[in-house]
Amino acid sequence: GAVVSQHPSWVICKSGTSVKIECRSLDFQATTMFWYRQFPKQSLMLMATSNEGSKATYEQGVEKDKFLINHASLTLSTLTVTSAHPEDSSFYICSADWESRPNEQYFGPGTRLTVT
Amino acid sequence: QKEVEQNSGPLSVPEGAIASLNCTYSDRGSQSFFWYRQYSGKSPELIMFIYSNGDKEDGRFTAQLNKASQYVSLLIRDSQPSDSATYLCAVNSGYSTLTFGKGTMLLVSP
Repeated sequence: GAVVSQHPSWVICKSGTSVKIECRSLDFQATTMFWYRQFPKQSLMLMATSNEGSKATYEQGVEKDKFLINHASLTLSTLTVTSAHPEDSSFYICSADWESRPNEQYFGPGTRLTVT
Repeated sequence: QKEVEQNSGPLSVPEGAIASLNCTYSDRGSQSFFWYRQYSGKSPELIMFIYSNGDKEDGRFTAQLNKASQYVSLLIRDSQPSDSATYLCAVNSGYSTLTFGKGTMLLVSP
C-alpha cells in the first residue's frame, strides 16, 4: 500500500515554456500532498504543501505564480512550472501522507526536469 | 529556522560491519523523526521512523532517539553493498511538514 506515482518521469523543455507534473496516490487517499525540489548533491527542499480543494501553502522564497499547484482530488495534485528557465532544471518530487499513518510521507519516484 | 544537520560523508564501511549514521536537529519541539534512504537519481524511501526516546529495531536497522540531546541516529548491522546510498534524516515539527538534512553518503565495500 501507499504507492505514489508521478508523471512524467523526465521531461526536457525549452526556456519560456510551461511544464505540468502530475502526482497521484494510487491506493490511498492522501490527506496532504507535498512538492519538493532537489538540486544535485543537495537535500530535498520543500516547495509547497497542498490539500484537496484548498490553495497551496508555499514555502518562503518559492514563487507561487511561477510554480502553480492544483490539488484537484484526494488522489491527484499537479505542479506546473510556468515560463521555465534553465535554473528551474531540477529533480521534482512529490509526496503524500496517509490518514491511516499520520506523520509519514510516501514519496513518488520524482520527475527530472531539464530546461534548455 | 529549523535545522537538521548531518555529516555529508562519505562514510565507508566494509561489508558485514555496523554503519552508524548521526543527525542533530535544532527544534526542541520536534515530535517525530524519520530515516530515508535515497539511491542516486531516485526518490527517498522510508526506512524507519521513531517517536519516543530510546531504541527502535527493525531487522538490520536500529533507530536511536535522544530528545534531551536533540540527536537521532541510525545503525545498520551487517552492512551490505546494496546499502550504499545517501541516508536522509528528516524531522517533523508539526503540521505534517518534514525538514530534511542534507544526507550522509554511505559506501559499503565488498
